[in-house]
Amino acid sequence: SQQGEEDPQALSIQEGENATMNCSYKTSINNLQWYRQNSGRGLVHLILIRSNEREKHSGRLRVTLDTSKKSSSLLITASRAADTASYFCATASMDSNYQLIWGAGTKLIIKP
Amino acid sequence: EAGVTQFPSHSVIEKGQTVTLRCDPISGHDNLYWYRRVMGKEIKFLLHFVKESKQDESGMPNNRFLAERTGGTYSTLKVQPAELEDSGVYFCASSQDEIGQLEQYFGPGTRLTVT
Repeated sequence: SQQGEEDPQALSIQEGENATMNCSYKTSINNLQWYRQNSGRGLVHLILIRSNEREKHSGRLRVTLDTSKKSSSLLITASRAADTASYFCATASMDSNYQLIWGAGTKLIIKP
Repeated sequence: EAGVTQFPSHSVIEKGQTVTLRCDPISGHDNLYWYRRVMGKEIKFLLHFVKESKQDESGMPNNRFLAERTGGTYSTLKVQPAELEDSGVYFCASSQDEIGQLEQYFGPGTRLTVT
């Protein structure tokens, strides 16, 4: 089965800087979604990008999708301490019966 | 609007015992999903209910796991008998959408520790 892979596994930056996380996947998809998990909390949906879209914005978040390279990136601009969390990408495709297939996540630490 | 709730938040049991996890989806969401994250590994799909029917249970690891959703409202996931490798965080999610076109709303998870 396909599997999203995020890189880096961990990222530590200063508050105010931009953070970029990448996700790669293996098979064709219908959409790709990014989620955030704060320590001890549930997963929070951030943004969904469909396979026919190349870029989406939501507040300080910018997601790109390159289906030819089977990759996506999540950019968080002007990072804040509250952005400290683990970030996961998940893909949905008809081939996998629209199950969400998850990556291992990127642990982001924002230093004050 | 209440979000997805899960109970308990944390359960510690001994190998061989039985544990039942509960998930209450967002009201009106026909689709309910169970996922599991074992320590150090990625989140894995377990199964998907549409109302009370199991739409896809291909991710269930073995027959020690039994999920139900009687009446199409809340769902339970029973592990019997529990093994050490069942330890992890079990997430439940609900959605209005059956084919993954819309976001899924996740509960806080139940952390299961099998000793």
